[in-house]
Amino acid sequence: EIVLTQSPGTLSLSPGERATLSCRASQRVSSNYLAWYQQKPGQSPRLLIYRTSSRATGIPDRFSGSGSGTDFTLTIARLEPEDFAVYHCQQYGSSPLTFGGGTKVEIK
Amino acid sequence: QVQVQGSGPGLVKPSGTASLTCTVSGMSISTDHWWSWVRQAPGKGLEWIAEVFHNGNTNYNPSLKSRVTISVDKAKSQLSLTLHFVTAADTAVYYCARLNGPNAFDIWGQGTMLTVSS
Repeated sequence: EIVLTQSPGTLSLSPGERATLSCRASQRVSSNYLAWYQQKPGQSPRLLIYRTSSRATGIPDRFSGSGSGTDFTLTIARLEPEDFAVYHCQQYGSSPLTFGGGTKVEIK
Repeated sequence: QVQVQGSGPGLVKPSGTASLTCTVSGMSISTDHWWSWVRQAPGKGLEWIAEVFHNGNTNYNPSLKSRVTISVDKAKSQLSLTLHFVTAADTAVYYCARLNGPNAFDIWGQGTMLTVSS
């Protein structure tokens, strides 16, 4: 099983700032099948990024993903008020599919 | 408009069995996509449970495989999850999600809460 470790656990930033979230895998992620989801309180996760760096439909270009192998990053170029949420990474290249523990981006 | 509506008993006693259902509308459940159940315990991260294809093929998380059954009913456009011998650790919101091949989980249901308590 691939274990995903997200850091930091909490990121305290102000609107307009840049957010950099990390997701590290215990083994290489097959085909770079690494996704990022945004989740707000009481809501279902929403797909942001798939296959490491492809933005899902309707996702603003301030969200970008990068990385390969075992190290992946989600960057939010300039935080908007609606971006404060929890972000989950997920690998779906090998079974069992696994998620990281999440990073909470909170308003400083 | 695609909708994925989850339903379940809400409250189940320890050692009992929980049966959850997701109903998919606005699209066919028989397309070439795997459908999964994912859960989230209160204040915790996401955990993948199992997946099913429209032909009945399944895959399970080894950590839950001995207690879980996933199935699909194409006629009703539903997928189901049965969880046996539940404990308080199974208390969570349970989501259905569609795996769109290399495009990850692009459709999620609204989640259904399951509480295990006597």
